[in-house]
Amino acid sequence: NAGVTQTPKFRILKIGQSMTLQCAQDMNHNYMYWYRQDPGMGLKLIYYSVGAGITDKGEVPNGYNVSRSTTEDFPLRLELAAPSQTSVYFCASSLNPDGYGYTFGSGTRLTVV
Amino acid sequence: AQSVTQLGSHVSVSEGALVLLRCNYSSSVPPYLFWYVQYPNQGLQLLLKYTSAATLVKGINGFEAEFKKSETSFHLTKPSAHMSDAAEYFCAVSAMDTGRRALTFGSGTRLQVQP
Repeated sequence: NAGVTQTPKFRILKIGQSMTLQCAQDMNHNYMYWYRQDPGMGLKLIYYSVGAGITDKGEVPNGYNVSRSTTEDFPLRLELAAPSQTSVYFCASSLNPDGYGYTFGSGTRLTVV
Repeated sequence: AQSVTQLGSHVSVSEGALVLLRCNYSSSVPPYLFWYVQYPNQGLQLLLKYTSAATLVKGINGFEAEFKKSETSFHLTKPSAHMSDAAEYFCAVSAMDTGRRALTFGSGTRLQVQP
């Protein structure tokens, strides 16, 4: 009964480095999402996927990339990290976002220095 | 496009007092509406959801919300606050007018409960 698993929980990156935030779900959900949470700003959608092989941009996709090769996994790639990417990142999945809402992971706190 | 406005970034109540957290939405089509709660250093948990059945929706931990189409509101209430209710609360909307199957979140309201 793992739900949505995010790794790592914490990470410090130097400017210009790259990394991948991992997200896996075991509920066979087709819909998966990446949000970032900044203080006082709520959650902003970075990328989402409606099924394996299908991804689309959200509100704030610049500086990020995603892939969805399987139903279970939805990694988020940061290329050339910048201080503006310091944030808490949440992955979520859903059977149907209208009727069921989301199941969230516990988040990854990323600091870029 | 849909949007959500949460009035009041911080709300403070005394233990045992009424909790009222405000949420107004904008959508050109009938929306689906959600309230989530986030405890410190955790992810978000679903409190309740409105999916066009009953306009008064009951959720977990004694919370409820009423959908009012005429006021485009979905305010969250709880009759008597408990210390354990201290958290951040997010209202979210899902609407088909953008074609994007994703939730749009408000900026959040931090609830403080005073003893």
